[in-house]
Amino acid sequence: GAVVSQHPSRVICKSGTSVKIECRSLDFQATTMFWYRQFPKQSLMLMATSNEGSKATYEQGVEKDKFLINHASLTLSTLTVTSAHPEDSSFYICSARVVLSGATLSYEQYFGPGTRLTVT
Amino acid sequence: AQKITQTQPGMFVQEKEAVTLDCTYDTSDPSYGLFWYKQPSSGEMIFLIYQGSYDQQNATEGRYSLNFQKARKSANLVISASQLGDSAMYFCAMSPWASGGYQKVTFGTGTKLQVIP
Repeated sequence: GAVVSQHPSRVICKSGTSVKIECRSLDFQATTMFWYRQFPKQSLMLMATSNEGSKATYEQGVEKDKFLINHASLTLSTLTVTSAHPEDSSFYICSARVVLSGATLSYEQYFGPGTRLTVT
Repeated sequence: AQKITQTQPGMFVQEKEAVTLDCTYDTSDPSYGLFWYKQPSSGEMIFLIYQGSYDQQNATEGRYSLNFQKARKSANLVISASQLGDSAMYFCAMSPWASGGYQKVTFGTGTKLQVIP
């Protein structure tokens, strides 16, 4: 199957600093990527849908100025947590969909390995 | 809006036995996809199986099968011949089909499966 990488896998930062997380599709082009957040022992919550070359679509309750998403190329989307605070500590996972012919999104969604963010 | 309900927070199963993980869903979308994912302690999400809402037959993938009962809005995962490596969190998920293909995915709360030797 397709491979999605995330970098870094773990990051510890001080409160008030910004952290950038990269999500890359390694062997396919991903016009659409998704960013999720998962608190311990909880489910994945969709934060935003990232579309190449356009603004991300944020879910209700997600601060777009705090969680900056950039999808500059067909293989890279970045999530920047600005002015991070301890409550932002979480597991962030990205995923990408394979685009079939006719620009239809496949049902297959490939996940990155996740990034564990700890804000001290 | 979509809603996924997994009523079993935790399950135990003896090695080599079969186990069923429950999932019910609610949606007003006429066309949708149902998915199961496995999340081991490492955190990665592993895709297991997919069922389209118009598929007549239940999906199967190796030891995984999806018991799809559309009228009851249930999509239970059956794992046959459980292995120790099956111990993980399991998430049921669904995605509506709209123009452009499958849209955003909604996940259930998960079931933690532990396989006992």
